[in-house]
Amino acid sequence: AQSVTQLGSHVSVSEGALVLLRCNYSSSVPPYLFWYVQYPNQGLQLLLKYTSAATLVKGINGFEAEFKKSETSFHLTKPSAHMSDAAEYFCAVRPQGAQKLVFGQGTRLTINP
Amino acid sequence: DSGVTQTPKHLITATGQRVTLRCSPRSGDLSVYWYQQSLDQGLQFLIQYYNGEERAKGNILERFSAQQFPDLHSELNLSSLELGDSALYFCASSVEGTTDTQYFGPGTRLTVL
Repeated sequence: AQSVTQLGSHVSVSEGALVLLRCNYSSSVPPYLFWYVQYPNQGLQLLLKYTSAATLVKGINGFEAEFKKSETSFHLTKPSAHMSDAAEYFCAVRPQGAQKLVFGQGTRLTINP
Repeated sequence: DSGVTQTPKHLITATGQRVTLRCSPRSGDLSVYWYQQSLDQGLQFLIQYYNGEERAKGNILERFSAQQFPDLHSELNLSSLELGDSALYFCASSVEGTTDTQYFGPGTRLTVL
């Protein structure tokens, strides 16, 4: 079964620093990949998605992710962290032919002033 | 606001009881998905309905059932509740499924005492 692994359950960065959240997927066929963000006491909001078009995907709030087939990775980055970026981030995969999402365990991002 | 609504927001009940969670998808969306988010299992797909018909099943217990009505709203029924059923239950909707984005509701927090 396809799965995603998010490296690091907690990531802490300083305001203005680079944000890098790691996601690796397991699949022999490139799946569709997603990053969602969950703010406290809220639902999940889509940041960006990869559906086999451009490998560099730009999302909302200045986030982007690069699909690297050779590394089976889909890491999320943002050049400069803002305090408002503090949240939990989930990487998800939609296996080919399926419609459900398979989520990683999540990474809690903390921003230090 | 994703356009997906869920009621109630919070639900506190006792073991052995039965509850019903309700979800209204975004206008025009035909697919509804249910996910469970718990501390030990993370975010897990439960079940999907498309235009009133069950389309996919995930890790849904036999004590749980769902349906989608002609007006496309969906209900998730949880019976013989156990302490371990305490979790956040999310509903998501999409137009159809394949590459469409799933939009998540704010969730229902279920506490079983």
